[in-house]
Amino acid sequence: QSVLTQPPSVSGAPGQRVTISCTGSSSNIGAGSDVHWYQQLPGTAPKLLIYGSNNRPSGVPDRFSGSKSGTSASLAITGLQAEDEADYYCQSYDRSSPYVFGTGTKVTVL
Amino acid sequence: QVQLVQSGAEVQKPGASVKVSCKASRYTFTDYYIHWVRQAPGQGLEWLGRIDPDSGGTNSAQKFQGRVTMTRDTSITTAYMELSSLRSDDTAVYYCARWTGHLGLDYWGQGTLVTVSS
Repeated sequence: QSVLTQPPSVSGAPGQRVTISCTGSSSNIGAGSDVHWYQQLPGTAPKLLIYGSNNRPSGVPDRFSGSKSGTSASLAITGLQAEDEADYYCQSYDRSSPYVFGTGTKVTVL
Repeated sequence: QVQLVQSGAEVQKPGASVKVSCKASRYTFTDYYIHWVRQAPGQGLEWLGRIDPDSGGTNSAQKFQGRVTMTRDTSITTAYMELSSLRSDDTAVYYCARWTGHLGLDYWGQGTLVTVSS
């Protein structure tokens, strides 16, 4: 079991806004650790989507955004598009691991 | 464009070992850690460990300590991950990825399917 908990699935219609939570604890996110987000399209390797909690690598659309507060982090997708249908994972550092991934969230575009 | 190219799929018997390679190109190999992550069928991502290609120093998840060995050959800019005493639940796609510190895992290999079956 991961120490970072995400909802198993979220869904939304095209154009809508969806958010994915990543809930940790005082030994990881709450300790000030960076949070990164990855997108995994079906049958492909993960791709870095957000780094350092709220920064986008070059080439990632600005409809993806990240935030962090307390022991949790969130990924928001605004203007949801069909191509956003994928699995999303948060990743941070934990005293126990030290690198941990979230449980993963499947985003479905209705 | 940075590239990480992994070795091909493997089928191994329980109790055997498997060694996966990760060939890096188009950047200075010794400047960035290489991490190993796996994904069992239909499951999430699981961190195995990392290697500093410069020093050869490694760290691994407690779960895999004693079973995972990470090495590198700087002359051919290749990192290796060997997992021993394989069990059926080690069946997974194994990925290597480049770590950029506070910038996350920015480049990933294409993945190597390891199937453990008698």
